[in-house]
Amino acid sequence: GESVGLHLPTLSVQEGDNSIINCAYSNSASDYFIWYKQESGKGPQFIIDIRSNMDKRQGQRVTVLLNKTVKHLSLQIAATQPGDSAVYFCAEDDSWGKLQFGAGTQVVVTP
Amino acid sequence: SAVISQKPSRDICQRGTSLTIQCQVDSQVTMMFWYRQQPGQSLTLIATANQGSEATYESGFVIDKFPISRPNLTFSTLTVSNMSPEDSSIYLCSVEDRTGGRYGYTFGSGTRLTVV
Repeated sequence: GESVGLHLPTLSVQEGDNSIINCAYSNSASDYFIWYKQESGKGPQFIIDIRSNMDKRQGQRVTVLLNKTVKHLSLQIAATQPGDSAVYFCAEDDSWGKLQFGAGTQVVVTP
Repeated sequence: SAVISQKPSRDICQRGTSLTIQCQVDSQVTMMFWYRQQPGQSLTLIATANQGSEATYESGFVIDKFPISRPNLTFSTLTVSNMSPEDSSIYLCSVEDRTGGRYGYTFGSGTRLTVV
């Protein structure tokens, strides 16, 4: 079936720098995308979402970009902090309420 | 957002036994979902559980192995039956969350299962 995937399994970033996490999706009919953060021992926590009628959405220190032409999604974290260390997942909503998750990227923030 | 209480948070079980995981939500929700997260991997949907109907299972998951109950709009259980070490995973429940004017999906903290 169609799937959502990530380019980088691990991202090491220096504290204070910006982080960019990428995600490719293959279902052109998907109309809703979500980024989740998962810390060790916890469930996924909602970060930000975007609908297919948008190409950019900003939150607090986070921005999601959607490029439907190349089926690409990215999450940008500004001024990365130690508390941002976690695994980040992109997820695709197939409109039936079933999320399809990407492989995940481990973000490691170094001092 | 909705608050989900999932129990137990972790368990170590003997092979051949069964474990029932509970998911309690602080608000009424139509759609509840059960996911599996194998060690170091992403989340995979097991089934969708709507109140008043049988759960709908994804490819590779069957009711005999993962029976689900959904007795009301705030509660669901997932049973992992006749466990083997390959069932060692984190099991998570999720709900469609429309609280606070936002649309999305909220997850419980998960049940970390180890089968020995």
